[in-house]
Amino acid sequence: KQEVTQIPAALSVPEGENLVLNCSFTDSAIYNLQWFRQDPGKGLTSLLLIQSSQREQTSGRLNASLDKSSGRSTLYIAASQPGDSATYLCAVRELETSGSRLTFGEGTQLTVNP
Amino acid sequence: GAGVSQTPSNKVTEKGKYVELRCDPISGHTALYWYRQSLGQGPEFLIYFQGTGAADDSGLPNDRFFAVRPEGSVSTLKIQRTERGDSAVYLCASSLAGKTDTQYFGPGTRLTVL
Repeated sequence: KQEVTQIPAALSVPEGENLVLNCSFTDSAIYNLQWFRQDPGKGLTSLLLIQSSQREQTSGRLNASLDKSSGRSTLYIAASQPGDSATYLCAVRELETSGSRLTFGEGTQLTVNP
Repeated sequence: GAGVSQTPSNKVTEKGKYVELRCDPISGHTALYWYRQSLGQGPEFLIYFQGTGAADDSGLPNDRFFAVRPEGSVSTLKIQRTERGDSAVYLCASSLAGKTDTQYFGPGTRLTVL
């Protein structure tokens, strides 16, 4: 059974700092990996999707990398801002499931202090 | 355009009652997913529809849970004989078609069973 782990569970940084969020998964037979942002009481907003054949994706100040063989992904946030404060979730889509379900980690709660 | 919408946003019910949660996907999206998110956890997959049929319902926890999508658009998640352990945020997502597509999430319905 696929298990997704995110480290750290919580992170507090001063504004302007560059930071890295980590995600690991136990079964490397994935179709793709997706990073989401969740604000308190809200749904999930997709940030980046990396297909299994890709190594990284970039969007603005965000860069996500994928090392499928080692079961790891990182989300790099450059020049963090207070508006980046949220919970960040990674999720994998497995090859073997016909329904293309996502398996999520428990998230990293990020606080960027002004 | 409009995103995924869910109603109600909050639902409080008593143990043993029946509830229905509604999801309106993005227009034209053929794939629809239901997830359940408990406090401090990542979302867990419940069921996936491709068109009108449930392509994967392996995430439903027991036979008290049922979902329909009769016309391939709106979906209703139905929970019979609710229990306190059913309290969670129920998230709906839709995607254009299949495995390569980003899933777009609604704001969720917070269900509280007293």
